[in-house]
Amino acid sequence: DQQVKQNSPSLSVQEGRISILNCDYTNSMFDYFLWYKKYPAEGPTFLISISSIKDKNEDGRFTVFLNKSAKHLSLHIVPSQPGDSAVYFCAASAFNNDMRFGAGTRLTVKP
Amino acid sequence: SQTIHQWPATLVQPVGSPLSLECTVEGTSNPNLYWYRQAAGRGLQLLFYSVGIGQISSEVPQNLSASRPQDRQFILSSKKLLLSDSGFYLCAYQGDKESYEQYFGPGTRLTVT
Repeated sequence: DQQVKQNSPSLSVQEGRISILNCDYTNSMFDYFLWYKKYPAEGPTFLISISSIKDKNEDGRFTVFLNKSAKHLSLHIVPSQPGDSAVYFCAASAFNNDMRFGAGTRLTVKP
Repeated sequence: SQTIHQWPATLVQPVGSPLSLECTVEGTSNPNLYWYRQAAGRGLQLLFYSVGIGQISSEVPQNLSASRPQDRQFILSSKKLLLSDSGFYLCAYQGDKESYEQYFGPGTRLTVT
């Protein structure tokens, strides 16, 4: 069952503009959410996370927003750079048990 | 510092042949270890996880198995590969069990022909 969903398989953005990647989840027991970035033929790298007690976490150009009532989170990248082009995975965990990943969104940032 | 290794990086195996993928972690003790598979055009599917030596939990019934013979070693195996086993296999560890973040190895690209 798909407890974590990324409904947009791809997103194309102009360099310097904002990239917004979305993620929805169904399990209300999830208490921690993460974003990973993945380049082809490499393992995913941890990008940013947020606890369910917060609604926003910011790290440089990356900000994650959590809307618990809507069971929705998003990753904002401002400004977008060509090096940000990669596949982004949303992940969620309940009480530090195993993590569930979305299918990923391929972000392309055009120069 | 903590590092994670996986090998081989790529593997081409015929249908029905056995499989052994190895993952080792350095710089941490008693980590949680995970095997994931990323199939073409799909997300990351959790296959197995281990919270300690000899302790394996399986998420998906299939012809794969996992073993943890040592604290920082995690092995993914199969006695007979299927075409559907093709994919990108990733090992991950969670060094701090109070933390949620998992850190991934470089992956193994398996092609079953």
